Amino acid sequence: EVQMLESGGGLVQPGGSLRLSCAASGLTFGKYAMTWVRQAPGKGLEWVSTISGNGDTTFYADSVKGRFTISRDNSKNTVYLQMNSLRAQDTAVYHCVKGGHFSAYDIWGQGTMVTVSS
Amino acid sequence: EIVLTQSPATLSLSPGERATLSCRASQSVNSYLAWYQQKPGQTPRLLIYDASNRATGIPARFSGSGSGTDFTLTISSLEPEDFAVYYCQQRDNWPRTFGQGTRVEIK
Repeated sequence: EVQMLESGGGLVQPGGSLRLSCAASGLTFGKYAMTWVRQAPGKGLEWVSTISGNGDTTFYADSVKGRFTISRDNSKNTVYLQMNSLRAQDTAVYHCVKGGHFSAYDIWGQGTMVTVSS
Repeated sequence: EIVLTQSPATLSLSPGERATLSCRASQSVNSYLAWYQQKPGQTPRLLIYDASNRATGIPARFSGSGSGTDFTLTISSLEPEDFAVYYCQQRDNWPRTFGQGTRVEIK
């Protein structure tokens, strides 16, 4: 069974940083693009970032470009999201999702909550 | 950025009725459109990919159609577990975008 397990969320002050991790299991990790999708409380889904299977290509939403960095370690079956200069508007559940470059998002992690507040 | 507009915002129906949800794109996304279902407190689930292909394990009462800018998700006969929020999403262009969602509620 394919699973994604996110970690690293929490409460951070505006301007602060967090690093999210997502450990995947049950798949040949390096074959697949990975994506982060977020959902603010009571709101809809927002695509954040995608990284290709070999890590060479990355894409970002304009709302996070220059502040967030996606990366992956295929030897550890893990994808990361480094989030800097956090804002209140970044408050959301962040889901790690399989796919997104040449496919739909077919496997979703349960998500990790990020709260940006003073 | 491609804007996806879903309609209606809320659909009030009874179990056994047919549900028709619409997703309109601001420019062509070819057939690169997916539909997701999200129940309260749960993670989104992929229902349909590439406009008309059911994802693994999705019941046959769910069907998708359309291409270009106009897409439809149809639930042929609503089951109690189908009352949820449905999102469309395009993967034709960057940035990837989602619609704002349609809530299917019990009438």
